[in-house]
Amino acid sequence: KNQVEQSPQSLIILEGKNCTLQCNYTVSPFSNLRWYKQDTGRGPVSLTIMTFSENTKSNGRYTATLDADTKQSSLHITASQLSDSASYICVVSEVTGGFKTIFGAGTRLFVKA
Amino acid sequence: NAGVTQTPKFQVLKTGQSMTLQCAQDMNHNSMYWYRQDPGMGLRLIYYSASEGTTDKGEVPNGYNVSRLNKREFSLRLESAAPSQTSVYFCASSRDGASYEQYFGPGTRLTVT
Repeated sequence: KNQVEQSPQSLIILEGKNCTLQCNYTVSPFSNLRWYKQDTGRGPVSLTIMTFSENTKSNGRYTATLDADTKQSSLHITASQLSDSASYICVVSEVTGGFKTIFGAGTRLFVKA
Repeated sequence: NAGVTQTPKFQVLKTGQSMTLQCAQDMNHNSMYWYRQDPGMGLRLIYYSASEGTTDKGEVPNGYNVSRLNKREFSLRLESAAPSQTSVYFCASSRDGASYEQYFGPGTRLTVT
């Protein structure tokens, strides 16, 4: 069964520090891999989207990497801010006609002052 | 642009009651989706509409029905609510298919007692 596993489940860091979130997937073949940020009580918002041929994609202080050979992706957050406190969700779309999308359970990030 | 809007934001139902969750998007997207989000789990697809006039089952369709009223609106109906349907429901839209970026609404928090 195609799955998307994220680690860690939760993470606490101090403001200004960097952190890296992990995503392992078994979806194959896949169309694209996305990272979303979900603030408490709100819907997910897209951070990055990568096709299987892309290795890295940046969006401000967020940088996503993809290794299609090992089926791993990571999201690196640089110089964290209090507003980065949120859940970060890894999402992989299958190549099955366009509508099969598998969501990871997310990593809950807490940034403390 | 409002993006994707959902009503209501909160709802409490008794077991056996029915209700309809409303969703509208103003981005001229062809595809729309309904997801549910439960603690510790990734978002799961309930139903989707690839384009106006079509609807298809997702991963967890039992107990739900949908209507794609027009290109803008996609509603989700619970005919006889059950406690297992207590969840947060998100509507999303994308240009064409899940391979494109999905834009999410703010969610509806539903409790069934």
